[in-house]
Amino acid sequence: GAGVSQSPRYKVAKRGQDVALRCDPISGHVSLFWYQQALGQGPEFLTYFQNEAQLDKSGLPSDRFFAERPEGSVSTLKIQRTQQEDSAVYLCASSPAGQPYGYTFGSGTRLTVV
Amino acid sequence: GESVGLHLPTLSVQEGDNSIINCAYSNSASDYFIWYKQESGKGPQFIIDIRSNMDKRQGQRVTVLLNKTVKHLSLQIAATQPGDSAVYFCAEPHLNTGKLIFGQGTTLQVKP
Repeated sequence: GAGVSQSPRYKVAKRGQDVALRCDPISGHVSLFWYQQALGQGPEFLTYFQNEAQLDKSGLPSDRFFAERPEGSVSTLKIQRTQQEDSAVYLCASSPAGQPYGYTFGSGTRLTVV
Repeated sequence: GESVGLHLPTLSVQEGDNSIINCAYSNSASDYFIWYKQESGKGPQFIIDIRSNMDKRQGQRVTVLLNKTVKHLSLQIAATQPGDSAVYFCAEPHLNTGKLIFGQGTTLQVKP
């Protein structure tokens, strides 16, 4: 597709449940970012991949959060034992080589933990 | 650490008027800024960017002004339209990592 695709669009999880959020970046984009956006706030950085290498995971809030991009294209953000404070929109963005800030964001996955 | 912040959480303007959205930043070494527009249910969308060697940059109906002396930038939208209703964020890169630091956003409401 022409844009960044994220699935599912909405996810309701019971506290303690594991979830997996998928991101399909724009074909050929080497950089992929995950951001967390709480209600009424700006996006906050979680982690960054260049191809399959995870170069920065400093924004992951806890060891319950894990991200992977095994073949340098699709990425999955996994949250284990979800907590209510994990409720947020999770945004994925990709950018091409040589344009690190030429982000294209997906529409996000809205996670609600009940 | 770095931070970017917006002055007003909500701005309400009449259709056809000009809108000005403000942003302050803390790091005097910051050399690049981006404005994003986020409509409800969508991800942020790039509007315009500016480097620190410029004071002003114009796009289609939008202008960004950068005042490095007071560490302030603004986004001006001319002849505001209902389709401009959204949340607007300023953002700056974190060092050279590719990571962006976003402000909290200003909600622009356009009254018909």
